[in-house]
Amino acid sequence: GEDVEQSLFLSVREGDSSVINCTYTDSSSTYLYWYKQEPGAGLQLLTYIFSNMDMKQDQRLTVLLNKKDKHLSLRIADTQTGDSAIYFCAESPYSSASKIIFGSGTRLSIRP
Amino acid sequence: KAGVTQTPRYLIKTRGQQVTLSCSPISGHRSVSWYQQTPGQGLQFLFEYFSETQRNKGNFPGRFSGRQFSNSRSEMNVSTLELGDSALYLCASSSTGAANYGYTFGSGTRLTVV
Repeated sequence: GEDVEQSLFLSVREGDSSVINCTYTDSSSTYLYWYKQEPGAGLQLLTYIFSNMDMKQDQRLTVLLNKKDKHLSLRIADTQTGDSAIYFCAESPYSSASKIIFGSGTRLSIRP
Repeated sequence: KAGVTQTPRYLIKTRGQQVTLSCSPISGHRSVSWYQQTPGQGLQFLFEYFSETQRNKGNFPGRFSGRQFSNSRSEMNVSTLELGDSALYLCASSSTGAANYGYTFGSGTRLTVV
């Protein structure tokens, strides 16, 4: 089946690293994504990882993929107040390449 | 390069009415997808169009329909509105239609049904 799960809330101190976790069920998923949604806005693609990769780094963002456990994580280094948003994990099932299945989103809040 | 444009940004409709939402994709993008976002159900896939053909459809009733024009602009229509249709409707475009490098989303149309 197609399902993506992630925790609802995460609170971190400014300057610390944030780690948002996600699990997915469709082992055939070819691409996995992290999207960011700020209040009143649409979704912004932060980064994606192809299923044959273990890790991808892009400036402050690091994505780790454990395909065996179907676990995806997003690490944000040196978290800033501007990182406050909802972060969505998403997968693209092989069986339906034009559809993206989203998790419920993790609300990241930053403490001073 | 202009992003994905959705109009209108906000709509208030009465139960039983119908509504049409519009989406202009990024120039050159031939695939347009629609998603419904609600606090209870999260982001749910409605349908995807590529070169004027619906290629994929989510689990929504027939009251939800869409179309795509030759210039890739897309509209979605909801007939006989219900209170539960109140949501943020997001449109996304991509060049290939396959999710590949991810979709670019518009800011959405917030529909309130009263």
